[in-house]
Amino acid sequence: GQQVMQIPQYQHVQEGEDFTTYCNSSTTLSNIQWYKQRPGGHPVFLIQLVKSGEVKKQKRLTFQFGEAKKNSSLHITATQTTDVGTYFCAALSYNTDKLIFGTGTRLQVFP
Amino acid sequence: DSGVTQTPKHLITATGQRVTLRCSPRSGDLSVYWYQQSLDQGLQFLIQYYNGEERAKGNILERFSAQQFPDLHSELNLSSLELGDSALYFCASSVAPQRDTYEQYFGPGTRLTVT
Repeated sequence: GQQVMQIPQYQHVQEGEDFTTYCNSSTTLSNIQWYKQRPGGHPVFLIQLVKSGEVKKQKRLTFQFGEAKKNSSLHITATQTTDVGTYFCAALSYNTDKLIFGTGTRLQVFP
Repeated sequence: DSGVTQTPKHLITATGQRVTLRCSPRSGDLSVYWYQQSLDQGLQFLIQYYNGEERAKGNILERFSAQQFPDLHSELNLSSLELGDSALYFCASSVAPQRDTYEQYFGPGTRLTVT
């Protein structure tokens, strides 16, 4: 079945450093979504990418969809303590209606 | 506040028991999804309903069942509970089936503890 892997599993950074999480799928994707879950909270939708090679920005966050539509990345510039949480990618492949969540990357930011 | 409500917030029960978790989707959303999140784990998709009909099934155990009612609220029934069923159960809703690629809005979750 379809697998969606995220790396790294954990990332600890000093406030002000950059952070990147990568999402890789074993199959070609229809689209990919990104969610953020704060500690003790629920996942919150951040963005959706649909087109091959698409790049979207939200303030300090940059989301990218690979040319082959099999991978995606989320990059945070100059992290802040408010960025703490777990970031999940969620992938929809062409042959299923199921949104498959990645394993998540837990980000810890030290002041 | 996502607009998705879940009750109860916390549930503590014994092994072998049966519980029902309830979810009310956002106003206007027709799709409801159930997820299980164990401690420090990712989100495991359980099942999806769209406008009352089962739409997609994930890694849902036979001891678990769900339904979506005409008023679009959904219930997840967990029976013959085992210690390993202890987890956070999230409900999410979206406007349409996932194929139409709408984002999902998650409820606050129900924390189930099986002792």
